[in-house]
Amino acid sequence: DQQVKQNSPSLSVQEGRISILNCDYTNSMFDYFLWYKKYPAEGPTFLISISSIKDKNEDGRFTVFLNKSAKHLSLHIVPSQPGDSAVYFCAARKTTEKLVFGKGTKLTVNP
Amino acid sequence: NAGVTQTPKFQVLKTGQSMTLQCAQDMNHNSMYWYRQDPGMGLRLIYYSASEGTTDKGEVPNGYNVSRLNKREFSLRLESAAPSQTSVYFCASSEAGVSGANVLTFGAGSRLTVL
Repeated sequence: DQQVKQNSPSLSVQEGRISILNCDYTNSMFDYFLWYKKYPAEGPTFLISISSIKDKNEDGRFTVFLNKSAKHLSLHIVPSQPGDSAVYFCAARKTTEKLVFGKGTKLTVNP
Repeated sequence: NAGVTQTPKFQVLKTGQSMTLQCAQDMNHNSMYWYRQDPGMGLRLIYYSASEGTTDKGEVPNGYNVSRLNKREFSLRLESAAPSQTSVYFCASSEAGVSGANVLTFGAGSRLTVL
């Protein structure tokens, strides 16, 4: 039973345009959502998070939107840069429990 | 500041051999984790340790054992390696598991191949 789903294995965008990575979840008890970025041959690094009491969180070029009624969150990267090319993992947790990760979306930003 | 350090980075084993992956963190974090990453499968939790002296099974614990040696170190042992354990293994740590976003800091990974 996959609680966190990233249905797009890959995404390709042009440099300067917007990248939108999507994530769906099934457990309405999740209260925190996180995005991690992973470059090849490196460990995942934390990018941005959002609490379930918010619907938007912004950090520079990165914005995460949360739609609780649809059980959906998205990560927007504007403008996209070639250095953003990586695998992005969505993750979620209930308080006191462990993170549950999605399978990841590989983003390629073309110069 | 090293963060989370894993050794070895690469290892090739034969079926049935044993080995231990080492992990150490220098951030004074209470919680430590072992994940495996396989193509198309994302990150799956093998074992975790919420605090020194405690360990618990994650999503895919079969074939593995762990030891929380002290607050800094958390090792993962394969007693009898199988080809299905070919994977990239990540150790991670976090400040606390009780509340908040519980941001994990990951190591660089250990690539294990079992022939």
